[in-house]
Amino acid sequence: DVKVTQSSRYLVKRTGEKVFLECVQDMDHENMFWYRQDPGLGLRLIYFSYDVKMKEKGDIPEGYSVSREKKERFSLILESASTNQTSMYLCASSFIPGAGSYEQYFGPGTRLTVT
Amino acid sequence: AQSVTQPDIHITVSEGASLELRCNYSYGATPYLFWYVQSPGQGLQLLLKYFSGDTLVQGIKGFEAEFKRSQSSFNLRKPSVHWSDAAEYFCAVGARTNAGKSTFGDGTTLTVKP
Repeated sequence: DVKVTQSSRYLVKRTGEKVFLECVQDMDHENMFWYRQDPGLGLRLIYFSYDVKMKEKGDIPEGYSVSREKKERFSLILESASTNQTSMYLCASSFIPGAGSYEQYFGPGTRLTVT
Repeated sequence: AQSVTQPDIHITVSEGASLELRCNYSYGATPYLFWYVQSPGQGLQLLLKYFSGDTLVQGIKGFEAEFKRSQSSFNLRKPSVHWSDAAEYFCAVGARTNAGKSTFGDGTTLTVKP
């Protein structure tokens, strides 16, 4: 089974802190994604990565950056956390070339509270 | 640009009753289509997917969905709902030219009455 793990289930940070959210997948997937999920707004794509060191902005990249130094690991960085970044953050991975597999596999989520 | 609409924000059904969750998509060609389920406090889990071929697809937990190109729809169905099906359900569309990137609907919350 594909496993996507996230470094924390719950995180509380102060305004202005630098926050790192880590995501690791064990299925050699090419693509990895970071979403935030807020009530009534569904899943919104922050950033995604289609290869090591390659990234693209999603729909709401402002205030976030990402890093993918190894294929299995994708980090989301909040450079200076703000209260409007309080949310559930979901990581996902997908895609093995030639396998015809495009569905996404999700981690359990990190509920971040910024005070 | 691709988009997904789930017209029902919240649906309540009685245990044992049938269920249909609606999903309409917008995409210029034949898309990849998915349904995911999210239990409270958890990540999303794939229920089923459509890539090509038979337009009626079977998934896990007794769910099925039918791709109707003429209606741009991919509705999720289950003949008899169980209390454990209470969750949030997301429909998603993926572009064939950008493998792996999907657009999600806003979700439908299912409540099951005893």
